[in-house]
Amino acid sequence: GQQVMQIPQYQHVQEGEDFTTYCNSSTTLSNIQWYKQRPGGHPVFLIQLVKSGEVKKQKRLTFQFGEAKKNSSLHITATQTTDVGTYFCAGHAGGTSYGKLTFGQGTILTVHP
Amino acid sequence: DGGITQSPKYLFRKEGQNVTLSCEQNLNHDAMYWYRQDPGQGLRLIYYSQIVNDFQKGDIAEGYSVSREKKESFPLTVTSAQKNPTAFYLCASSPTGSEAFFGQGTRLTVV
Repeated sequence: GQQVMQIPQYQHVQEGEDFTTYCNSSTTLSNIQWYKQRPGGHPVFLIQLVKSGEVKKQKRLTFQFGEAKKNSSLHITATQTTDVGTYFCAGHAGGTSYGKLTFGQGTILTVHP
Repeated sequence: DGGITQSPKYLFRKEGQNVTLSCEQNLNHDAMYWYRQDPGQGLRLIYYSQIVNDFQKGDIAEGYSVSREKKESFPLTVTSAQKNPTAFYLCASSPTGSEAFFGQGTRLTVV
């Protein structure tokens, strides 16, 4: 079945450093979604990418969807302590934008002030 | 007040008991999902439903059961067949092709 892998599992940075997490799917995705879960909270949607090679930005966050629609990345520039949390990617298998939504294992980000 | 509500927030179960976790949404979403979260393992899909009276197994359905008799409700039963049920359970709903909205979660502990 479809598998979505994320690396790294953990990332510790000093405040002001950049951070990147990578997401790789075993199958082609119709879309990729990114979520953030604060400690003790529930996942909250950040963004969805649909097109091959698509790049979207939200302030200090840059999201990219690979040309083959099997990988994605999230890059945070100049991290802040408010960025602490677990970042998940998720996607629907190619050919459909509904149904089974598979999540990666997440990257736990710690930011040291 | 629109949203997705899970109850209870904390649940304790004795070994051998079945327990049911509630999930209700008033967002008029067609799709609903149940995920299990364990430390270091991300979100694993238990069951999902695209429409009333229909649901599909996810990756770890063994020991769980669901129903979707109403659009708003998608309860999850953790049966005695689930050998390691202690976990954080998250319910989500989604309009077709769009993002998932999560409830606050239920933390289940076997005592």
